[in-house]
This record gives sequence, structure tokens and C-alpha cells, in this order.
Amino acid sequence: EAGVTQFPSHSVIEKGQTVTLRCDPISGHDNLYWYRRVMGKEIKFLLHFVKESKQDESGMPNNRFLAERTGGTYSTLKVQPAELEDSGVYFCASSQGRLAIYEQYFGPGTRLTVT
Amino acid sequence: GQSLEQPSEVTAVEGAIVQINCTYQTSGFYGLSWYQQHDGGAPTFLSYNALDGLEETGRFSSFLSRSDSYGYLLLQELQMKDSASYFCAVRAGDTGRRALTFGSGTRLQVQP
Repeated sequence: EAGVTQFPSHSVIEKGQTVTLRCDPISGHDNLYWYRRVMGKEIKFLLHFVKESKQDESGMPNNRFLAERTGGTYSTLKVQPAELEDSGVYFCASSQGRLAIYEQYFGPGTRLTVT
Repeated sequence: GQSLEQPSEVTAVEGAIVQINCTYQTSGFYGLSWYQQHDGGAPTFLSYNALDGLEETGRFSSFLSRSDSYGYLLLQELQMKDSASYFCAVRAGDTGRRALTFGSGTRLQVQP
């Protein structure tokens, strides 16, 4: 079974540009999460989808971030326009079942550098 | 609000036993999870404790004391490949939220 995949693995953009990150969850997983880790600090929650619906977007830092989940399958996270403080590693995770909240399967992350 | 505290760094030698502690403050507690992350890799689920006591999975065990708001991850027979960051996490406290709040992570360095 394929794991969670993310694309691209790295992205270097200039301040003010737009970047779109993609996440493909494990097939059949209804829950999809986006997290961000900045400068080796804690992994911070951004938002949570259940199928195609946004269940919780309380962690989204501001309206420069837009997440979508088309047809309840893959998800995209767009940052527009990017700022320097958006640099970090963006992780996607998916889960399903009784322990869905506690046992999440993470992708390898997208390392975003804004210069 | 919620907060989790872990030591930032722990060093141990191959073959030894190491304990990584986690104390938490949260409004509403549903359980404590542990994740491992190797440099440049994806966080990987290790264990989950909902009730007090010790859960064992091979060389790794996780303990929870809800009355003390405390848990730990115990790694036995340390191997070089155990060098990684370890995160404790709790469910976000607000009713209906189904996200995890992570600690800052403990970087474990295993030396030969």
C-alpha cells in the first residue's frame, strides 16, 4: 500500500511569489491534515479535512494560505503571496478508523524556503 | 490552551535504555501519542496511551499517568538507528476538534 506522498519535496521561491503544495493521502483515508514545522520547533497544526470538507482550519496563519481537497482525494495548499516567515517544512498526514486522531500517517514533507 | 514539555535533547550509548519525558497541560485529555522523526524524514507513529500504565511494543514502551499529566517513552537496547527526534502529542482540547498538538520534540543522539 502506498504511503502519503507530497510534491514537491523542496521549493525555493522569492517573497511575493505563489507556491502550491500537493498531498496525496493513503487511499481510503477520509482524514487529511496539514502541519508545518518551522526552524526545528514543534509540529504545528494548520487544518483538517474530512473527505472534501474543511473540519477545522483554526491553525491557518492568515488568508494568504488556501487549502483545498478535490473530491475528497488529494489536497493542495497554496501560499499567495509568500512571506519570509512562511519558510518551513509542510507535512501532510492522513488517517482513518477508531484511532484516526492519534495514529496519523505522515508524508515526507515539502521544504519551503522563501527568500 | 494546551502545552507539552519535553527535554530538547538526550544523549545515550548503544545498548542502553533511555527515557524521554513529556508533561502536558490541556483542557480535556483523550490520550497521549508518540511519534519518531528521523532527520529529513516523515514523523512516524510509535504509540498511543489512553489509560494509565505501560504499553509495550518491542523495544519501545510508553507510559501514562493521567493524574500527574505525565508520560514517557522508554527505548531499550538502543541502536544507532534510534537517533531521531521524538514528539509527544495530545488531541487538541476543544470539543469536536480532531487535530493533534505536538510538543517541541526531543532529539535523541545514540553514540557508539
